[in-house]
Amino acid sequence: GENVEQHPSTLSVQEGDSAVIKCTYSDSASNYFPWYKQELGKGPQLIIDIRSNVGEKKDQRIAVTLNKTAKHFSLHITETQPEDSAVYFCAALRNSGYALNFGKGTSLLVTP
Amino acid sequence: GAVVSQHPSWVICKSGTSVKIECRSLDFQATTMFWYRQFPKQSLMLMATSNEGSKATYEQGVEKDKFLINHASLTLSTLTVTSAHPEDSSFYICSARAASGANVLTFGAGSRLTVL
Repeated sequence: GENVEQHPSTLSVQEGDSAVIKCTYSDSASNYFPWYKQELGKGPQLIIDIRSNVGEKKDQRIAVTLNKTAKHFSLHITETQPEDSAVYFCAALRNSGYALNFGKGTSLLVTP
Repeated sequence: GAVVSQHPSWVICKSGTSVKIECRSLDFQATTMFWYRQFPKQSLMLMATSNEGSKATYEQGVEKDKFLINHASLTLSTLTVTSAHPEDSSFYICSARAASGANVLTFGAGSRLTVL
């Protein structure tokens, strides 16, 4: 089946620094790549997404880049804040059925 | 924005009993709903895809007779864990796709099931 690999599994940065999380996918037919933030005991919250017809998308401190040729996409968080601490999941839309395949998650810790 | 509500948010039950979890799309119609299971510190694993008015499609390895899914209306899908056992204890999360056809999926807040 389709796989989504995510790295790193844990990431610790100091407040104000940038954080980068990278994902690769195997299904070349995937055309939608969302990123979710999950806080402890809660459901995933969509923070940004990108479709295959663009290479980059930015929303304030958060940006996502997509390289379709290499089949990888990355989440960039600038000027990190302690409240950014959470688990982040990348996902890729399956080529049929509209379900998402998720990466294994990155636990981000932003220390003051 | 689109809101998906899950109920209950947490439930504790005895081994051998059945538990029903509801997933509702509050302000949009969802032709497709998805049920995921998440074990502690792990990723979300798709259990089944539920289409309104038809039988659910289960992922490989998920027992359809144990995890009963009903999607009787465009705003409600239910997951029933039958004859629950301690190994079924998990965080169950639903997501919904709007009937408008957009790829964006909205997730519920999840339901924590603990089987004693």
